[in-house]
Amino acid sequence: EAQVTQNPRYLITVTGKKLTVTCSQNMNHEYMSWYRQDPGLGLRQIYYSMNVEVTDKGDVPEGYKVSRKEKRNFPLILESPSPNQTSLYFCASRLISRTYNEQFFGPGTRLTVL
Amino acid sequence: LAKTTQPISMDSYEGQEVNITCSHNNIATNDYITWYQQFPSQGPRFIIQGYKTKVTNEVASLFIPADRKSSTLSLPRVSLSDTAVYYCLVGINNNDMRFGAGTRLTVKP
Repeated sequence: EAQVTQNPRYLITVTGKKLTVTCSQNMNHEYMSWYRQDPGLGLRQIYYSMNVEVTDKGDVPEGYKVSRKEKRNFPLILESPSPNQTSLYFCASRLISRTYNEQFFGPGTRLTVL
Repeated sequence: LAKTTQPISMDSYEGQEVNITCSHNNIATNDYITWYQQFPSQGPRFIIQGYKTKVTNEVASLFIPADRKSSTLSLPRVSLSDTAVYYCLVGINNNDMRFGAGTRLTVKP
């Protein structure tokens, strides 16, 4: 089944404790991205990647890191989480196309930073 | 970046047709119009995309007038399971598309 998977789905942590949220897709998509969703603010893009070893900042990259060492994986790293990073996070992927914009989203990771 | 404006919320009843209009007055020549649906605590799901005139798939229709400054997502005969948030996005690719607050559709029995 074509899908985007994220782990963990739920995480409660404490301020300053490094964490990684994994994202994997099995559709051979070049493009992958991370979003966070907060009440009243919609989905905001954190980072995106156009291909292996190619990453770039989205609208809200502060406090996050990403890497793209393999085409299928795009982990989101919080080196020193803070309470304002408590949010619902979504990973997404798609083919790179000039005329077709369907993104496939993962199930989400609900992160709470105490 | 093309800015979009949608109603914050809409109510409907089962079996009715629902039309959600999105305004995008500064849409650029190469921009596409894309709609997503999102259920609570799930990732958005692509519904439909169009450039001009009308596009129809098994889920919805998208109407785009000649000036392309607005678009209307049409959901035929909605059911309770269509209760969700619907997002209108405008752009060439995902790097210049933004998810706004969307339209919260509530379908009542």
